[in-house]
Amino acid sequence: GAGVSQSPSNKVTEKGKDVELRCDPISGHTALYWYRQSLGQGLEFLIYFQGNSAPDKSGLPSDRFSAERTGGSVSTLTIQRTQQEDSAVYLCASSPTGTGTDTQYFGPGTRLTVL
Amino acid sequence: GDSVTQMEGPVTLSEEAFLTINCTYTATGYPSLFWYVQYPGEGLQLLLKATKADDKGSNKGFEATYRKETTSFHLEKGSVQVSDSAVYFCASSGGSYIPTFGRGTSLIVHP
Repeated sequence: GAGVSQSPSNKVTEKGKDVELRCDPISGHTALYWYRQSLGQGLEFLIYFQGNSAPDKSGLPSDRFSAERTGGSVSTLTIQRTQQEDSAVYLCASSPTGTGTDTQYFGPGTRLTVL
Repeated sequence: GDSVTQMEGPVTLSEEAFLTINCTYTATGYPSLFWYVQYPGEGLQLLLKATKADDKGSNKGFEATYRKETTSFHLEKGSVQVSDSAVYFCASSGGSYIPTFGRGTSLIVHP
């Protein structure tokens, strides 16, 4: 079946502009995660959804970052007034239930470049 | 809080060499442990996992054993190939719904 998809694959924007990143999880997966991966760094957790609600937003780096999930499926991560330090690869993952034994299924990522 | 520590890279090997990438964790309770692999230009994908102590995960010639006494989950492969060149991430997932990832170890295999 289809895996996790993300769009766009690449996004170049100017400093100060807003961007929206999209994630389509595997159908039926209730848990959805956003991570950020900077060059040479590990994964930085941003936000977790269980269904449409986000019980943990602790990883969002600033109030310029927000995310929503609708219909228990598609999620969008919005970055307002982008800064150069926002440049990174943004990864989305989904898992069947979000429990500790679940495997996470990752999308290919969106590479964001802020000029 | 929970943490995962894995050896720094890059690890550079010749084809057919033996591979070990060390991973240790700290967690409350008994987490599940994972190794994910990220090939160039791709997202992460599960390589193997173990959900309880003494379990051995294995896949594509890679193995890792969940060692509770040493809180470790070292990744091993007896004979690496050029196609194994990638970044390897160790992760733990316990009571929290948020997995904890290590920083990743880059593996470069030369012909």
